[in-house]
Amino acid sequence: AQKVTQAQTEISVVEKEDVTLDCVYETRDTTYYLFWYKQPPSGELVFLIRRNSFDEQNEISGRYSWNFQKSTSSFNFTITASQVVDSAVYFCALSEDWTQGGSEKLVFGKGTKLTVNP
Amino acid sequence: NAGVTQTPKFRVLKTGQSMTLLCAQDMNHEYMYWYRQDPGMGLRLIHYSVGEGTTAKGEVPDGYNVSRLKKQNFLLGLESAAPSQTSVYFCASSPRTSGGGRIDTQYFGPGTRLTVL
Repeated sequence: AQKVTQAQTEISVVEKEDVTLDCVYETRDTTYYLFWYKQPPSGELVFLIRRNSFDEQNEISGRYSWNFQKSTSSFNFTITASQVVDSAVYFCALSEDWTQGGSEKLVFGKGTKLTVNP
Repeated sequence: NAGVTQTPKFRVLKTGQSMTLLCAQDMNHEYMYWYRQDPGMGLRLIHYSVGEGTTAKGEVPDGYNVSRLKKQNFLLGLESAAPSQTSVYFCASSPRTSGGGRIDTQYFGPGTRLTVL
């Protein structure tokens, strides 16, 4: 069965520090998709990134970067020079490609609460 | 373009009461989903729909029913609310890309906070 583990329940950093949020996943499928979502204190879920299992290139978007390593089944998220506005709960999620007979759904990790202090 | 909207934003029910949560999307997405979010549990899928007129069970379907009579709407019903259904409910939608088989991003509504006393 699919599973996503975010071992870090809470992280607290001081502004301008770099922080990495870990995500480890389990799946038997060769085709799958990984996502990161941000949930700020206001409660909505904001899409950050989607990667497919065939693309192991790391991605950078401003202060955000993602490191996808199939060998370790990890999809880690790094925030460089963190800011107070980065304070949120971050969720990693795994999806399954429907062509293999799987259901169309996301399996979420339990989230990591990041607090960035001024 | 409002994206995904949910009605109501907040609701308090007494045990045994019924209610329907409405999700609407204006992005012409094929797929729609209902999740619940509980502290320390992340989001768990309740039911989902891969198209108008079709629904399927997710991880935690018991106590809920859904309907997708129109492509843009996905309703979640609680026939007899229980305190265990106190949660934040999120609706999401995603497109179905041409050629089949590729899962696209799910876009979420703002959530409905439900309390069952």
